[in-house]
Amino acid sequence: DQQVKQNSPSLSVQEGRISILNCDYTNSMFDYFLWYKKYPAEGPTFLISISSIKDKNEDGRFTVFLNKSAKHLSLHIVPSQPGDSAVYFCAAVDYGGSQGNLIFGKGTKLSVKP
Amino acid sequence: DAGVIQSPRHEVTEMGQEVTLRCKPISGHNSLFWYRQTMMRGLELLIYFNNNVPIDDSGMPEDRFSAKMPNASFSTLKIQPSEPRDSAVYFCASSPRGAGSHQETQYFGPGTRLLVL
Repeated sequence: DQQVKQNSPSLSVQEGRISILNCDYTNSMFDYFLWYKKYPAEGPTFLISISSIKDKNEDGRFTVFLNKSAKHLSLHIVPSQPGDSAVYFCAAVDYGGSQGNLIFGKGTKLSVKP
Repeated sequence: DAGVIQSPRHEVTEMGQEVTLRCKPISGHNSLFWYRQTMMRGLELLIYFNNNVPIDDSGMPEDRFSAKMPNASFSTLKIQPSEPRDSAVYFCASSPRGAGSHQETQYFGPGTRLLVL
């Protein structure tokens, strides 16, 4: 059973508009979350993270929101640019038996159209 | 910094053959991870090392898979014998964290795209 879920496999947004990528998790013990971005033929690269002691973290055009009660986080990109077109992975840190490893969602492919 | 280096970038082999994937982590990083990405299962952790010692290999799918890290700058993932269902992209990642630290950011290599015919 997936512990980190990204239910939208794809998202298409017009350039300049807001992109909202969603992620749900099932384990209430998760307390640190990361977003990774992946271009074709490249490895994922770290984008932004958030600790459970916060409900928002902002870095330029990227903001991650965390709703612990709903076990939900989202990544907002404003304004969206064509270069943001990539697959976005949500990940949670499992501090259980694996000493803090990442559990990834399956990813959402974002397409930003000019 | 060259980042995480993986080789080969692409590998095509026939069922039953041995496949060896290689990884050079970022210098100074204490942890190394092997992942497999497929359409069905997304990114799955196969095994991870901390200070060259395998810590968790519960994600390794079968005995056909093995991984080693003989030193801090090199790791291999071997599949013997390979099967068509092993076709996937295999990523290596490294992290600066030591045991007990909270530096969770992992830096990924470009991946090896494996096709087993």
